[in-house]
Amino acid sequence: KQEVTQIPAALSVPEGENLVLNCSFTDSAIYNLQWFRQDPGKGLTSLLLIQSSQREQTSGRLNASLDKSSGRSTLYIAASQPGDSATYLCAVKAESTSYDKVIFGPGTSLSVIP
Amino acid sequence: DVKVTQSSRYLVKRTGEKVFLECVQDMDHENMFWYRQDPGLGLRLIYFSYDVKMKEKGDIPEGYSVSREKKERFSLILESASTNQTSMYLCASSFLGKGKSNQPQHFGDGTRLSIL
Repeated sequence: KQEVTQIPAALSVPEGENLVLNCSFTDSAIYNLQWFRQDPGKGLTSLLLIQSSQREQTSGRLNASLDKSSGRSTLYIAASQPGDSATYLCAVKAESTSYDKVIFGPGTSLSVIP
Repeated sequence: DVKVTQSSRYLVKRTGEKVFLECVQDMDHENMFWYRQDPGLGLRLIYFSYDVKMKEKGDIPEGYSVSREKKERFSLILESASTNQTSMYLCASSFLGKGKSNQPQHFGDGTRLSIL
């Protein structure tokens, strides 16, 4: 059974720092991995989706990497800003499913201090 | 931009009531999902649907049912609300898998439901 974990559970950094969020999954047979952002009391916003054949994806100050064989993904945020404060979740879609069921990690709560 | 709209942001109901949560998407997505999100438990899939009138149980379907009469609308029904169903409910949609399965899921803003 696929399990997704995220470390750390919470992170507080001063504005301007570069930071890395980690996501681990137990079954390397994934179809893709997605990173989401969730603001308090809101829904999830898709940030980046990495296909299993890809190693990384970039969008602005965000860079997500994927190492399927080791069951790990990282989300790198460059030059952090207070507006980056949110919870970040990763989610994996298993290779074996014929539908779009994904398994979510518990999230990392990020606070960027001005 | 994909728009997933949930009918209520906040809802307060009483134990035993029948509760309807509505979700509408405007991008002609085949897949629609209902999740609940609880502190310490993360997001858990309740039901999903990959076509009109089709539904599949997720991980925690007990106490819930769903309806998909039109492609754009997916309703979650709490048959007899109980206090342990107090939660944040999130709806999502995506294109169907098998060829389009590298499309992301798009979420609504959520409905915070309190059962008293």
